[in-house]
Amino acid sequence: DIVMTQSPDSLAVSLGERATINCRSSQSVLFRSTNKNYLAWYQHKPGQPPKVLFYWASTRESGVPDRFIGSGSGTDFTLTITSLQAEDVAVYYCQQYWSPPLTFGGGTKVEIK
Amino acid sequence: QLLLQESGPRLVKPSETLSLTCTVSGDSVSRGYYWVWLRQPPRKGLEWIASISHSGDTYYSPSLKSRVAILLDASKNQFSLILTSVTAADTAVFYCARGRYCSGGGCYFDNWGQGTLVTVSS
Repeated sequence: DIVMTQSPDSLAVSLGERATINCRSSQSVLFRSTNKNYLAWYQHKPGQPPKVLFYWASTRESGVPDRFIGSGSGTDFTLTITSLQAEDVAVYYCQQYWSPPLTFGGGTKVEIK
Repeated sequence: QLLLQESGPRLVKPSETLSLTCTVSGDSVSRGYYWVWLRQPPRKGLEWIASISHSGDTYYSPSLKSRVAILLDASKNQFSLILTSVTAADTAVFYCARGRYCSGGGCYFDNWGQGTLVTVSS
């Protein structure tokens, strides 16, 4: 199984400041022939279902604000919120879809400082 | 607009079978997507349970494989989850979702149901 490890577990950021979340996979999720990383990011707010933010590690889902940036390749990935807004308070998860079993990181809780 | 809605009992007794159905509207389960069940136990992270392709290929979490089945009913545009021999550890919010860009069973999930809390308790 591919183990996904996120850091930190939680972070508190001032409004308008940058938030950075890291995700590491136990093996590469990069398919070299297509140069695609089988990695997605989700935002999960209380009482709502998770919402996909990025797939292929850096392809932004329609409607996701451009203050969210997905980056990385191979085994190391980052989700950056360049200017934190109040509505961004949530738990963020990375997920690999390289192969079953499909696995998620443990989540990173983002709060306002 | 794609909508997914979970339905089923909210309370299941230990050792019994949990059955949930996801009704899909705005798309056909017979089209080229995968249909997926996931769960989130209280105060824990997300866990993938099972996926089924539009053509009936199934994939299961190894940790649940001996107790779980996922079924597709194209005539009702639904898919279902069966989880047998439940214990308190199976208490969770269960989500159904659509899988995208699926290859060899690997998908990300672009549309989710609202989720339903199922409690296992006597």
